Amino acid sequence: EPEVTQTPSHQVTQMGQEVILRCVPISNHLYFYWYRQILGQKVEFLVSFYNNEISEKSEIFDDQFSVERPDGSNFTLKIRSTKLEDSAMYFCASSEGVVDEKLFFGSGTQLSVL
Amino acid sequence: AQKITQTQPGMFVQEKEAVTLDCTYDTSDPSYGLFWYKQPSSGEMIFLIYQGSYDQQNATEGRYSLNFQKARKSANLVISASQLGDSAMYFCAMREAGFQKLVFGTGTRLLVSP
Repeated sequence: EPEVTQTPSHQVTQMGQEVILRCVPISNHLYFYWYRQILGQKVEFLVSFYNNEISEKSEIFDDQFSVERPDGSNFTLKIRSTKLEDSAMYFCASSEGVVDEKLFFGSGTQLSVL
Repeated sequence: AQKITQTQPGMFVQEKEAVTLDCTYDTSDPSYGLFWYKQPSSGEMIFLIYQGSYDQQNATEGRYSLNFQKARKSANLVISASQLGDSAMYFCAMREAGFQKLVFGTGTRLLVSP
């Protein structure tokens, strides 16, 4: 079965550094998402991306965050200047459409900001 | 505003027994979708089942069924014949029409004992 793949599985960075989290969505999917889960807390929506632009974002997704689809397969989340509170599991997800469509999630990237 | 409530932080069930995980939601939109995801200790988010607000029948997927009571705004997950591998965190989520984000509940940790 096709799956969403994320790299790396773990990322450790120093506060203030830039990080890029990478995802390869399922190939025929058109909608791409990033979610995060701070340890022990619920999963929170960050951003959705369709047709090469952001289609929806949450208040968490401020100017420190950006997303990009640099080629036909990858989807990236960049955090420009990481803060301690950015430490979380980051999930990429994709779906074929939006209405009645299930999201397929990747295995996540655990980001630790020291 | 969308809201999902899961009131059971933890549930215990014996192998081969059925278990119900509760989920209530709040929305003023007549069109929405409800999802259940499983998160094992390895961290990935696994789609289990989907129910649309206009679906007449309760959704079923193998051992999973969704007890959808629209008037009560509840969407409980029923797992029949529990297996040890069902031990995981379970999240209920909702998406309103016109939005792409999923809003998640706080989750229920299920432990299946032999």
